[in-house]
Amino acid sequence: EVQLLQSRAEVKKPGATVKISCKASGYSFSAYYIHWVRQAHGNGLEWMGLVDPEDGQAVYAEKFQGRVTISADMSAETADMELSGLKSEDAAVYYCAILAGHDFDYWGKGTLVTVSS
Amino acid sequence: EIVLTQSPGTLSLSPGERASLSCRASQTISSNYFAWYQQKPGQSPRLLIYAGSTRATGVPDRFSGSGSATDFTLTISRLEPEDFAVYYCHQYSDSPRNSFGQGTKVEI
Repeated sequence: EVQLLQSRAEVKKPGATVKISCKASGYSFSAYYIHWVRQAHGNGLEWMGLVDPEDGQAVYAEKFQGRVTISADMSAETADMELSGLKSEDAAVYYCAILAGHDFDYWGKGTLVTVSS
Repeated sequence: EIVLTQSPGTLSLSPGERASLSCRASQTISSNYFAWYQQKPGQSPRLLIYAGSTRATGVPDRFSGSGSATDFTLTISRLEPEDFAVYYCHQYSDSPRNSFGQGTKVEI
């Protein structure tokens, strides 16, 4: 069974950095990109970027360039997303997902990030 | 960056009615790289349609996707109570960059 297990909820102060992890299991980790998508409360889905686990290459949405770092560890079969310079608008549920463009489509349960002073 | 605009924002319908949801892309994309998702409160999104018109495994045939170039439609032929949710379009034609629409809420 394919699973994407995400790390726990985080509470951060404005200006801080948050790092969320996503542990994959049940499939060949190197075979599919891991995407990160966020959803602010009551809002829509926002694609942040992806990483190719095979070579560690990441691609980011323009909006997050310079503030986000997505990485993958093949040995641990884990992908991480780090977002710096947190603002109140960054409060959201962050999902890791496999968006393979066909039936192989899986999402983690999401990690809630709260930004509060 | 490809921007997807969904309309309407909210669709108020009754069970048994037909729903048509629209998604317009800011530039031409391939229907082979277009998908629709359903999301219910407190849940992760669920893939309904990929490659423009192919239903994902287990998706009832009352859901259908169509369209090309910049205009795409998700049709639910007869709404069931469990279909009341938020629907998102998704493009991966600009791969590796992806984008989602802002969502259409289908409510009773």
